[in-house]
Amino acid sequence: QQQVKQSPQSLIVQKGGISIINCAYENTAFDYFPWYQQFPGKGPALLIAIRPDVSEKKEGRFTISFNKSAKQFSLHIMDSQPGDSATYFCAASYGTASKLTFGTGTRLQVTL
Amino acid sequence: NAGVTQTPKFRVLKTGQSMTLLCAQDMNHEYMYWYRQDPGMGLRLIHYSVGEGTTAKGEVPDGYNVSRLKKQNFLLGLESAAPSQTSVYFCASSYRGRNSGNTIYFGEGSWLTVV
Repeated sequence: QQQVKQSPQSLIVQKGGISIINCAYENTAFDYFPWYQQFPGKGPALLIAIRPDVSEKKEGRFTISFNKSAKQFSLHIMDSQPGDSATYFCAASYGTASKLTFGTGTRLQVTL
Repeated sequence: NAGVTQTPKFRVLKTGQSMTLLCAQDMNHEYMYWYRQDPGMGLRLIHYSVGEGTTAKGEVPDGYNVSRLKKQNFLLGLESAAPSQTSVYFCASSYRGRNSGNTIYFGEGSWLTVV
C-alpha cells in the first residue's frame, strides 16, 4: 500500500516555465512533508519542507503548497532552469525517528 | 566535510553470496537509515537505528540484517543475495529532535547487482 502518491512520473518544461509536481498522502498522522532533489549518480538532498500548520512555504524559486483537508501537497518551481533537471521526490514522516515515506519520484527535464 | 560515506560504491554478487555494506557518518547523528531505490518505486526504508546498539525494521526488511555497534557506523548485510536485491542502496542519517522533521542526509549510494 503506497502511502504517498506522486505525479506525474516525468515532466518536460521549457526554460523559464513553471514546473508543478503533485503528491497525495493517506496517513493523517504525517506531520512533516519534505521534497528531495536527486541528480544522477547522487543521493537525494533536501530541497524544501513544510509542516501542516501552514498552507504555503517559499524558498527562492521553490514553493510548497499544502492542502490539509485534501491531504495533498505540491512543489512549484518558478522560472525553471536547465540546472533544475533532476528527479524530485516528495516524502512524509511522523514521529521522532523521522522515518521518511517517499513518493515514486518525478523526473524533470528543463529544455532550452 | 565527508557527511555520509558508503562503501563499496559498486558491487556485483552471485546469487547466494553474502556481503556487507558499510555506512559511516561524521556528523554525530543519533539516527541512521538504510533505504533501497528501485525504478518507479521511490526509496523504501529497509532498517533504521535510533541509537548505538539499537535497530528496527522498516518497510522492506526481509533478506537484510543490520548492526549499529558504533554511533558513527551502520552496517547492512545480505546473508544470501537474491536477484530481487539488485538495487541502489542509500544510507542516511539525522540528528535526534523533539519531533519529526529532522533533516535527513543521504550518502551517494551503493549500486548492487545480483546475478
